[in-house]
Amino acid sequence: GAVVSQHPSRVICKSGTSVKIECRSLDFQATTMFWYRQFPKQSLMLMATSNEGSKATYEQGVEKDKFLINHASLTLSTLTVTSAHPEDSSFYICSGRVDRRNTDTQYFGPGTRLTVL
Amino acid sequence: KNQVEQSPQSLIILEGKNCTLQCNYTVSPFSNLRWYKQDTGRGPVSLTIMTFSENTKSNGRYTATLDADTKQSSLHITASQLSDSASYICVVNQGYSTLTFGKGTMLLVSP
Repeated sequence: GAVVSQHPSRVICKSGTSVKIECRSLDFQATTMFWYRQFPKQSLMLMATSNEGSKATYEQGVEKDKFLINHASLTLSTLTVTSAHPEDSSFYICSGRVDRRNTDTQYFGPGTRLTVL
Repeated sequence: KNQVEQSPQSLIILEGKNCTLQCNYTVSPFSNLRWYKQDTGRGPVSLTIMTFSENTKSNGRYTATLDADTKQSSLHITASQLSDSASYICVVNQGYSTLTFGKGTMLLVSP
């Protein structure tokens, strides 16, 4: 199966600082990557869709200036949480999409736990 | 409104016992339905995928069913193990990665 990694797995930062999270597809090329956020006991919520070489598409209610997404290559997408605040503390998960036999499949990364103090 | 409802919200069973998790959806259009296992603090891992024409799909001790007419799916876990303790998430794909996630069922397998 396709493997997606995320780095770091955990990060603790002070309020007002910026945090960058990397998402890499290790053994496949992901034209499209997705960023999700998951609060405790809640389902994954899509934040944005990232296409290689173009601007990300953000879901309603997600501030694009706060959550900067860069998808510079077919194997790397980054999410930068700018001027993080405690309410940004969450579990951030990325996924890469593979299209096979008319069935698109998303492979999820292991997630990044962000804690903003 | 596209929704995926899962039940029960949480479940505790003894090791070795079987259990069945339910998923009802109102998503349309429908491309496929997946069951994921999400360990605490980890990303979701796909267990099964079913398209409209498939009724049953097995993956080891996991068996998923799909009734596209009633828009219901179930995940049956046989001979549960302690490592099965996780959240199980039902996800409906409307096509081209438009996913609707359920909130998951938290399963705890007790020794």
